Amino acid sequence: GENVEQHPSTLSVQEGDSAVIKCTYSDSASNYFPWYKQELGKRPQLIIDIRSNVGEKKDQRIAVTLNKTAKHFSLHITETQPEDSAVYFCAASRNNAGKSTFGDGTTLTVKP
Amino acid sequence: DAGITQSPRYKITETGRQVTLMCHQTWSHSYMFWYRQDLGHGLRLIYYSAAADITDKGEVPDGYVVSRSKTENFPLTLESATRSQTSVYFCASRDGGNTIYFGEGSWLTVV
Repeated sequence: GENVEQHPSTLSVQEGDSAVIKCTYSDSASNYFPWYKQELGKRPQLIIDIRSNVGEKKDQRIAVTLNKTAKHFSLHITETQPEDSAVYFCAASRNNAGKSTFGDGTTLTVKP
Repeated sequence: DAGITQSPRYKITETGRQVTLMCHQTWSHSYMFWYRQDLGHGLRLIYYSAAADITDKGEVPDGYVVSRSKTENFPLTLESATRSQTSVYFCASRDGGNTIYFGEGSWLTVV
């Protein structure tokens, strides 16, 4: 089955700096890669996703890049703000597959 | 998102008791999931369901039972609760584009 590894497990940045979280996956047939943000005590919520037919997608301060050859994808947050502090999860799945495989999460702390 | 709701949100139970966590979604999504999230850890899949009357095991199914008699409901039962099952439980459903929507979570403490 699919295996997703996420790094780093914790990340601390100064407000205004950029943050990058990376995930690698094992199943070359995976073609959907979402990122979820989980604030303390809340549910995970989708913030951005990318499908295998594109290499990059941006939404304001966040972007995701995908390298299908190397089987890795990354979340980039620019101009970080304290409200970006949360746990971020990556995931991988095939279209219409039964389940998604999640990474173990990255705890991002943005220091003011 | 009022589309997927869990109950109870908070529960304290004793070791050995049976506990059922309820999950209801209003979107008619085919796929539904149960995850557990232990303090400081990621999401571990307990069981999932592709449709009514179709369920399958995830990574950590031992000690849990699920059913899916109707598309909108996916209850999770702990048959005989143990302290190791103290956790936050998230129900989720998936739309046709593979996006997963999580419920608000059920905080379960087994004493």
